[in-house]
Formats: sequence, C-alpha cells, structure tokens
Amino acid sequence: KQEVTQIPAALSVPEGENLVLNCSFTDSAIYNLQWFRQDPGKGLTSLLLIQSSQREQTSGRLNASLDKSSGRSTLYIAASQPGDSATYLCAVPGTYKYIFGTGTRLKVLA
Amino acid sequence: GAGVSQSPSNKVTEKGKDVELRCDPISGHTALYWYRQRLGQGLEFLIYFQGNSAPDKSGLPSDRFSAERTGESVSTLTIQRTQQEDSAVYLCASSPRPSLANTEAFFGQGTRLTVV
Repeated sequence: KQEVTQIPAALSVPEGENLVLNCSFTDSAIYNLQWFRQDPGKGLTSLLLIQSSQREQTSGRLNASLDKSSGRSTLYIAASQPGDSATYLCAVPGTYKYIFGTGTRLKVLA
Repeated sequence: GAGVSQSPSNKVTEKGKDVELRCDPISGHTALYWYRQRLGQGLEFLIYFQGNSAPDKSGLPSDRFSAERTGESVSTLTIQRTQQEDSAVYLCASSPRPSLANTEAFFGQGTRLTVV
C-alpha cells in the first residue's frame, strides 16, 4: 500500500531564504508525482507535475526533482517571499485517486 | 468556465438538516473526484466518477453521504442529517482522462461546510 510522507511538517523561514521541502513514497512504481499549494481554507493549486521518466521540472522560482529508486521528491523554492506562505502537498496517483502526503506548512517571514 | 467551480463557497447549516454541494468540472473532463478536509487535517478521498458511474466510492464515510453525476457534467454531493463532525472543506477535482497515470487533476476552491 502506497504511503506518502512529507517532512518537515512545518517550516518558518525569513524572507529571501532558499528552502527544500521533502516528499517520500513507499512504492517506487509511480507514474508521476505532483506538487500542490494550498492556501488556508482554499482549494489546491497545481505547481509542478513530474512524470516518472523525468528527473526534474522547473517553474519560475520552483524546482521539483524526482528520484524514483529512492522514493523521494524534493521541492526547491528559491528566494522565498511572504507570498509563498501556504501548505505544500505532494501526491502520487493511485488506482482511482491521488494519494496525498501529509503536507508541509510554510511560513515566510517579512 | 476555465476551472472547476464549486458552490456554494460557504454553507452554514443546522445539525440534522440535509445539504447539497455542487461541482461543475472543467468542460470535457471525464473524471471527477470528491475529497474532504477537516480543519488542520489532510485530504480524505470520498468518491471517484468516471462519466456518470462511480467505480470507487470507498471513501464515503457513512450512508448519510451520497453523490451523483450527470453524464460528464455537474456532480452533487449530498449529506443527509448533518452532524457537527461533517464540518469540513469539501473539495472537487476533475481530470481529462480516466487515469491519473498520464494526466493531472484540477481542483476547485472548495465548499466550507459548518454544521452548528
């Protein structure tokens, strides 16, 4: 049974820092991995989708990497800003649904 | 519309009343998902639609919860005899293909349900 874990659970950093969020999954036979952002009480916004054949994806200040063999993905945020404050979720597809990680709650201090 | 639309955005109801939550998926998206998120907790899968059939409804927590979908269009999640434990944000997502193996899902902004 696939399990997805994210560490740290919460992170508070000063503005301008580069930071790394971690996602681990127990079954390496995944088709893809997706990173989402969720603002409090809101829906999910897709950030990056990495296919199993890819090693990384970049969008602006965000870079996500995928290492299937070790069951890990990282989301790198460069030059963090207060507007980046949110919960970040990783997810892998199951048979009919996403299996979500536990989330990292990020706070970027001005 | 351009994205997944959910209504209402907020709903306050009295314990014991029935509520209906609506989801309008992206046009042409064949797959539709409902999730629930209680305050401070992760996302709980409720049900998956492929067209108007539901191959996986394993996440519906009790027989008070039901959902239906009209073709590849709107879906309604109904909660009967609401309880305070039903208070949560209910999220809907849709995707263009049946399997998430080769596509991604797009989420709506959710309906915040408060049972008082």
